Amino acid sequence: NAGVTQTPKFRILKIGQSMTLQCTQDMNHNYMYWYRQDPGMGLKLIYYSVGAGITDKGEVPNGYNVSRSTTEDFPLRLELAAPSQTSVYFCASSYSPAGDNEQFFGPGTRLTVL
Amino acid sequence: GESVGLHLPTLSVQEGDNSIINCAYSNSASDYFIWYKQESGKGPQFIIDIRSNMDKRQGQRVTVLLNKTVKHLSLQIAATQPGDSAVYFCAEKSDSWGKLQFGAGTQVVVTP
Repeated sequence: NAGVTQTPKFRILKIGQSMTLQCTQDMNHNYMYWYRQDPGMGLKLIYYSVGAGITDKGEVPNGYNVSRSTTEDFPLRLELAAPSQTSVYFCASSYSPAGDNEQFFGPGTRLTVL
Repeated sequence: GESVGLHLPTLSVQEGDNSIINCAYSNSASDYFIWYKQESGKGPQFIIDIRSNMDKRQGQRVTVLLNKTVKHLSLQIAATQPGDSAVYFCAEKSDSWGKLQFGAGTQVVVTP
């Protein structure tokens, strides 16, 4: 298994541009999560999904959108990039909620908005 | 809102010594806690977890202690090695959907 994969690894955006961060897992996990990590800080939840077609907001959803059309993929969309969205983004997945099964993390996407 | 936090931002440890990383939490309803290790440029990696009905859990070279009376969590690493150098995060499960709330992290630096 490749586990959780994320693309791209790095990206620089100009203010107002849009992009999609890709996340794919090959473990047949139902639960998927998007986090952002600002320098020197812990991870904050942006959006999560408990299965295909079901998504919900986390702690910091403003400026982002998600979709979950398949079990494997959980893309994160930035429509109008702002400097405040400069961060490292991590996708994670688990078979069931944390507490029952471990959350596996991808390697991250480092995004800079200038 | 309630949050998970850490006492020490940086911990310098001599190789071979034991490390202790501390974490304070404020949500008394949390029933599950996890420690993650994050190496530079990588995603968090699960180390060990503990449920609120336990006080202690041991893994390979790691032990997690939970003190619910003072809402305190600690991670002990025995015989710290250079490969243990990383940022360590504690996290608590905040609801039944598996959403995790993370602390700010502690940088562990292992010196020869």
